Amino acid sequence: AQSVTQLGSHVSVSEGALVLLRCNYSSSVPPYLFWYVQYPNQGLQLLLKYTSAATLVKGINGFEAEFKKSETSFHLTKPSAHMSDAAEYFCAVSDPDNFNKFYFGSGTKLNVKP
Amino acid sequence: DAGITQSPRHKVTETGTPVTLRCHQTENHRYMYWYRQDPGHGLRLIHYSYGVKDTDKGEVSDGYSVSRSKTEDFLLTLESATSSQTSVYFCATMKPSSGNTIYFGEGSWLTVV
Repeated sequence: AQSVTQLGSHVSVSEGALVLLRCNYSSSVPPYLFWYVQYPNQGLQLLLKYTSAATLVKGINGFEAEFKKSETSFHLTKPSAHMSDAAEYFCAVSDPDNFNKFYFGSGTKLNVKP
Repeated sequence: DAGITQSPRHKVTETGTPVTLRCHQTENHRYMYWYRQDPGHGLRLIHYSYGVKDTDKGEVSDGYSVSRSKTEDFLLTLESATSSQTSVYFCATMKPSSGNTIYFGEGSWLTVV
């Protein structure tokens, strides 16, 4: 069985500060890992994904995430927060061999203070 | 962008009435999903489809049925709507060759009064 845990349902940072959103997963097989972003009243948009290539993955809008197998983590970072980064972020894990096995974390709302 | 269109985008209905939400995709993706999103629960899978007329239940399927008669369309039906089904519903598609990436529609806001 697989599961995703996002630590912190709400994270608040100042504009220009480092953004760190945490995601830990449990998986019995090497997973695919994803981060999605959701702006108010919109669907989820893919931010970045890890599919067993480079462990440091770069995504859109300056975000990146590092897959750490030993820590079963896939934390999302951005060096300098912008007001437009305020949104809800979801981590997700997929079993590469089972297309119906796609699990989402409960989400982290990022607030960016001026 | 996976060319996913959901309709209706907003609907208010009365308890006990049937409701059908439609998902239409233009990318010929084989896999399609219906999720519901509720505060504190994230996204939960209702039903999914792995081909025309091939569907299966997700984790919260009670009270919902689906149909897929064409590759491009995936319908979600609430047989008799209840207030607990007030939610935001998202359709999604997936193309395995894209690394199992799921693409989402814009959502359908359903209120059951």
